[in-house]
Amino acid sequence: NAGVMQNPRHLVRRRGQEARLRCSPMKGHSHVYWYRQLPEEGLKFMVYLQKENIIDESGMPKERFSAEFPKEGPSILRIQQVVRGDSAAYFCASSPGTSDNSEAFFGQGTRLTVV
Amino acid sequence: AQSVTQPDIHITVSEGASLELRCNYSYGATPYLFWYVQSPGQGLQLLLKYFSGDTLVQGIKGFEAEFKRSQSSFNLRKPSVHWSDAAEYFCAVGARDYKLSFGAGTTVTVRA
Repeated sequence: NAGVMQNPRHLVRRRGQEARLRCSPMKGHSHVYWYRQLPEEGLKFMVYLQKENIIDESGMPKERFSAEFPKEGPSILRIQQVVRGDSAAYFCASSPGTSDNSEAFFGQGTRLTVV
Repeated sequence: AQSVTQPDIHITVSEGASLELRCNYSYGATPYLFWYVQSPGQGLQLLLKYFSGDTLVQGIKGFEAEFKRSQSSFNLRKPSVHWSDAAEYFCAVGARDYKLSFGAGTTVTVRA
């Protein structure tokens, strides 16, 4: 059973370009969470999705950021018109549910560098 | 609002010595508490978690943590560290929906 797969592992974008980060949850997991880790900081919650639904996007910046988790395929975190401040590690996690026995498994992250 | 404070940014410990990492949290209800470890270039691995019950929680790799409600703390301990324990450790608090708040992390260096 493969773990949470994120790609690419490293992504370099010029200011103004778009960044697309992909996350394939573990098999059987229908809940996906995105976190951002800025340099020298802990992870910050961005968004929680289930298949075809955004459950909680309270941590998402109001502009330029969007996320989806379609019925088929991976979850996508999209950043439009990237700026230097978007440079960070973006982690995806998945879980089968939200019960006490559910555990969220994290991917290895995508490290975005904006130049 | 929920938040986590890890007072120690960096700890150096000798191999074979004991290790304790501090974590203080702020949360309005009964907290769900977690410790994660992150090796360089890797994702986060769950070491242990506390939801309810026994306040001393055993985790993987020989780690344990103790929940102390009166002190709002959830400190991580290991009796004897190994060189492979060198990593960054994150304490997190959240609700069942996994909207977790992470501390800024403690980097552990292990010297021979």
